[in-house]
Amino acid sequence: GAVVSQHPSWVICKSGTSVKIECRSLDFQATTMFWYRQFPKQSLMLMATSNEGSKATYEQGVEKDKFLINHASLTLSTLTVTSAHPEDSSFYICSARDRQGAPNSPLHFGNGTRLTVT
Amino acid sequence: GDSVTQMEGPVTLSEEAFLTINCTYTATGYPSLFWYVQYPGEGLQLLLKATKADDKGSNKGFEATYRKETTSFHLEKGSVQVSDSAVYFCALSDSGGGADGLTFGKGTHLIIQP
Repeated sequence: GAVVSQHPSWVICKSGTSVKIECRSLDFQATTMFWYRQFPKQSLMLMATSNEGSKATYEQGVEKDKFLINHASLTLSTLTVTSAHPEDSSFYICSARDRQGAPNSPLHFGNGTRLTVT
Repeated sequence: GDSVTQMEGPVTLSEEAFLTINCTYTATGYPSLFWYVQYPGEGLQLLLKATKADDKGSNKGFEATYRKETTSFHLEKGSVQVSDSAVYFCALSDSGGGADGLTFGKGTHLIIQP
């Protein structure tokens, strides 16, 4: 089946540094990838929609300058948390849809990245 | 805006018990409804879906019926197994799961004891 690889699975960084999270579709191409964030005991919240070759679309309330998204190819999207602060500590998860799948085909999810900012 | 409400966990059951995880939603359009499952250490997987009212999604013994009149999509299984222990997310998509992302519930942690 379709596999989405997310890396790293966990990261600890110091306040003020930047962290990059990668999301790769391993055996399919994805023109669209989605980035979610989950706080403990909260819903998965859509942060942004990443479109290959164009700017990402951010959800209301998500700082685009803080959460930089790059979708440089049909198999890779990256999320960079810039100048991270402890309140950015969270679980980040990406998903992708096979560009050859039907419009209603399911999303494929990465395993998520646990970010801890100290 | 769209929202999904599902019962808080953890839900602890004995093996072979009957399972119900409640899910209700609010949406502006006619959403598609989904249940995703996250097994320990793995990513989210689609468990089942329903795209219109009265549709029943089913997979691996789990079922959920799209009830427009009660805006609900409760997940049920007649006899749970230890291997069903996971976190279950109810979700909706107003665009039929197309270009837009999903709106998720908070997730319900299910623990099945032998």
